[in-house]
Amino acid sequence: DGGITQSPKYLFRKEGQNVTLSCEQNLNHDAMYWYRQDPGQGLRLIYYSQIVNDFQKGDIAEGYSVSREKKESFPLTVTSAQKNPTAFYLCASSQDGLLTFGSGTRLTVV
Amino acid sequence: AQSVAQPEDQVNVAEGNPLTVKCTYSVSGNPYLFWYVQYPNRGLQFLLKYITGDNLVKGSYGFEAEFNKSQTSFHLKKPSALVSDSALYFCAVRDMSASKIIFGSGTRLSIQP
Repeated sequence: DGGITQSPKYLFRKEGQNVTLSCEQNLNHDAMYWYRQDPGQGLRLIYYSQIVNDFQKGDIAEGYSVSREKKESFPLTVTSAQKNPTAFYLCASSQDGLLTFGSGTRLTVV
Repeated sequence: AQSVAQPEDQVNVAEGNPLTVKCTYSVSGNPYLFWYVQYPNRGLQFLLKYITGDNLVKGSYGFEAEFNKSQTSFHLKKPSALVSDSALYFCAVRDMSASKIIFGSGTRLSIQP
């Protein structure tokens, strides 16, 4: 089945650690996106990528980094510089503007 | 700069009544507009989109949305609400000339039996 796979589903991070969230798609979509969801704030765009080896900052990129070495993969690293990383993270891919979402990763700082 | 506003955090409707979830937007060029729905602890599912053409767009599960260019609005509607429509609804906008897609803050729709 075609779709987007995010892993892990739940992730716990100690303060000061970097963690990487995985996002893989087999839809052959060119564009991929990372969003952060907090209660009452909707989805906020972290980074997006239109093609391999290219990506742009979204509205809340500080404390995050990404790579796009393969069309299928768009991992997100939450660095220690992100002061409030506890949130639900959603990855999506897109063809012609229509987004297909993964099931999300819930990150908690402990 | 792009922006999307959903002015209502929550909308309560009795089952069988019509429902409206409001959305206004701002983009520099012509917009692509979308509605998505989210069920608890899940990703978002696509409902409908407007790219060009007829201002009234029909989507999944009996939902429709009306594009109003002069009011820069894209309100989601359904003639008769079901309890199963209860969920979190998001409006999204993309500028036709770019790939950046941003979302509103979401509206929680609650349908009472």
